[in-house]
Amino acid sequence: GENVEQHPSTLSVQEGDSAVIKCTYSDSASNYFPWYKQELGKRPQLIIDIRSNVGEKKDQRIAVTLNKTAKHFSLHITETQPEDSAVYFCAASRRTGGFKTIFGAGTRLFVKA
Amino acid sequence: DTAVSQTPKYLVTQMGNDKSIKCEQNLGHDTMYWYKQDSKKFLKIMFSYNNKELIINETVPNRFSPKSPDKAHLNLHINSLELGDSAVYFCASSLGTGQYFGPGTRLLVL
Repeated sequence: GENVEQHPSTLSVQEGDSAVIKCTYSDSASNYFPWYKQELGKRPQLIIDIRSNVGEKKDQRIAVTLNKTAKHFSLHITETQPEDSAVYFCAASRRTGGFKTIFGAGTRLFVKA
Repeated sequence: DTAVSQTPKYLVTQMGNDKSIKCEQNLGHDTMYWYKQDSKKFLKIMFSYNNKELIINETVPNRFSPKSPDKAHLNLHINSLELGDSAVYFCASSLGTGQYFGPGTRLLVL
């Protein structure tokens, strides 16, 4: 069935370092790839997304890359800050009326000051 | 405030009871969703409605029944609650792509 694998499950970095989270999806019909950040006790919030016709997208300190052939996509956070500490979810979506979205299992990012 | 809102925020109940969670969005979105997030933080889609029509119905027990009276509302009714139903339930909405989540309903079944 449809599946999104996300690695690592936990990531600890020093403030100022970069963090990279990787995901692999199985449904070749997926054409939209959002990333969500969930702080402790809060709701998931969309932070960046990428469509299948684009290979890379950047927004300030965060960037996403997509390799459609390999079905890989990644989130890159540069110059990490303590407030980046949260659980990050990747997701793969395809349109079926609305969008059917399969989430990865999440990566818990710790940024040490 | 433009947002996705859910009520109640917390729900503590006994096994076997029936309960409902309500969700409303005033973002003008045409698609609404229910997700279950378990203790390991895994987010699993349960249902999705597009323009009041059910379009996604994942493998969810029949005890869970969604209802969408209009495009701005998607409620979730749960019959005969079980211990394993304890989780955080998130409502979300979208217009096309990225989803906006509600604050979550923390359900604890005793």
